[in-house]
Amino acid sequence: KQEVTQIPAALSVPEGENLVLNCSFTDSAIYNLQWFRQDPGKGLTSLLLIQSSQREQTSGRLNASLDKSSGRSTLYIAASQPGDSATYLCAVRDNYGQNFVFGPGTRLSVLP
Amino acid sequence: DAMVIQNPRYQVTQFGKPVTLSCSQTLNHNVMYWYQQKSSQAPKLLFHYYDKDFNNEADTPDNFQSRRPNTSFCFLDIRSPGLGDAAMYLCATSRDTMDRVFEQYFGPGTRLTVT
Repeated sequence: KQEVTQIPAALSVPEGENLVLNCSFTDSAIYNLQWFRQDPGKGLTSLLLIQSSQREQTSGRLNASLDKSSGRSTLYIAASQPGDSATYLCAVRDNYGQNFVFGPGTRLSVLP
Repeated sequence: DAMVIQNPRYQVTQFGKPVTLSCSQTLNHNVMYWYQQKSSQAPKLLFHYYDKDFNNEADTPDNFQSRRPNTSFCFLDIRSPGLGDAAMYLCATSRDTMDRVFEQYFGPGTRLTVT
């Protein structure tokens, strides 16, 4: 059974810093991995999707990497801003079904 | 704009009183999902529809049912809500295409309170 973990659970950084969020999964037979952002009390906003054949994806200040063999993905946020404060979740879709398995999230606070 | 819509955004129901949550989409996606998310926890998949085919997760309680009358709409029915069912319910969609890109798009969620 696929299990997804995220480290750290919470992170607080001053504005302008670059930071890395980590996602680990136990079964490397994944189809793709998706990073989401969730603001308090709101739904999920898709940030980046990485297919299993890809190594990384970039969107603006965000860069996500995938190392399938080691069961890891990282989300790099450059020049963080207070508006980046939110919970960041990763989710993996395995090769066996239609479902996604989510990690518990990293709660990010960017201090002005 | 194409989107996933959930109604209502906030729902209050009484213990044991049936409640229905609604999800609609203008993306014309063939897959629709329902997730339950409790406070500070990861979303947990309840079930999903692949076209008209219903797929229930093994640990989803029988108290939770779903209907998908057409491509655009999907409903979550909670037959007898308990206090433990208070949560945010998230609807998501994805498209199964020839190149099999399964990006999920989420609605804003419905926060259910059980009194």
